[in-house]
Order: sequence, then structure tokens, then C-alpha cells
Amino acid sequence: KAGVTQTPRYLIKTRGQQVTLSCSPISGHRSVSWYQQTPGQGLQFLFEYFSETQRNKGNFPGRFSGRQFSNSRSEMNVSTLELGDSALYLCASSLTVRETQYFGPGTRLLVL
Amino acid sequence: GQQLNQSPQSMFIQEGEDVSMNCTSSSIFNTWLWYKQEPGEGPVLLIALYKAGELTSNGRLTAQFGITRKDSFLNISASIPSDVGIYFCAGRKETSGSRLTFGEGTQLTVNP
Repeated sequence: KAGVTQTPRYLIKTRGQQVTLSCSPISGHRSVSWYQQTPGQGLQFLFEYFSETQRNKGNFPGRFSGRQFSNSRSEMNVSTLELGDSALYLCASSLTVRETQYFGPGTRLLVL
Repeated sequence: GQQLNQSPQSMFIQEGEDVSMNCTSSSIFNTWLWYKQEPGEGPVLLIALYKAGELTSNGRLTAQFGITRKDSFLNISASIPSDVGIYFCAGRKETSGSRLTFGEGTQLTVNP
């Protein structure tokens, strides 16, 4: 069974731009969560989707948003990029919200 | 954001030695997970613990879910060079859906 896939793997943007990252969960998994990983803050929860509904949201500004499609694929969007948004963005999927999460390889975003 | 207290931050050991790391929290968690992350990749699940007091092994790895539900430890026996990486503990609360809270990570270096 294929693992969690994320595209693109690497991205360079400039301040003020917006970016969309994509995540395809493991086949059959309906819950998708997003995390931001930085050297200073570690792994921080962004949001969680299940059955196309946002179930949980972390402490991030409204510039960070996401959605989930009927096939469980998810996207996250960051608008008006800031230098501090440079990070590894990780997507994780699980069968349901209480099951063990499996992570994708991440998208490395660099904001210049 | 809230993080688990993970120690040690880093370890430098010789091949063949045993390793122990732990995570503590002021809050109760219902699930404890241990992940390993290598450069440029997402965290890979090593062990999942679901019950207080549970002791689970995965090859040379052994992890325990603390009785108080506020801590967990991971042991690696007879370390080998491919054990190098960053090890993260993560906890999930019953009321938090899929949301994981992560430790700061333990950077493990194994000298052959």
C-alpha cells in the first residue's frame, strides 16, 4: 500500500506570495492532519480534517487554511507569506481521528 | 505551543550500546507514539502505545506507556549505525481528535 504523498517536495516563494500544498493520504484513510516543523518551534499542529470537515485547528493565524476533498486528499494554503513561514510542512493520515497517524515526507517551503 | 518534555536532547554513543530516552508531561495522554525522523524525510512510526502500563517491543526497540499516563520511555538495545536520526515522542489526548503534541526530539548519533 502506498504511503502518504505530498507535493511539491520543495518550494521557494517570496514574501507576500501565497502557496498551496497538497497531500494524498494512504488509501482508505479519511483523517488528514497538517503540521509545521521548524528548528525553533519543533512540530506544531496546524489543523485536522475528517470527511471534508475541519475538526480541529492549532494556534496559527488565519493566513493558514486548508480543505479536504471527497477522496480524502487535502490541501493547505498559506497566504501573504512571511519569512517565518519557512518550514517543513508535514501531512499525516489515519483511518479515523483516533487511529495512529502516518506521516508523508513533507514539503520544504523557503520564503525569501 | 505546548510540547512534551523530552530528554536527552542529544546522545552520542558507540555502536552496540543501549539507549534510553523519555518524555514527560503535566497532562494526561491516552496514546503515546514514538517516531524517528531522518534528514529530508517525515517522521516514521516506530511504536504506538494505547494503554497505561503497556510495554511494547518492535525488534530492538521497546517502549512503555507510563502508569500515570503522563510519561513514556523508549529503549534501543544494541545500537547500530542506521539508528542515527531524531527520535520524537508524541501524545494524543482523547478530546483532541488526531491532534498530536510532540516532544522536542532526541538527536541520536552512533559511532561505529
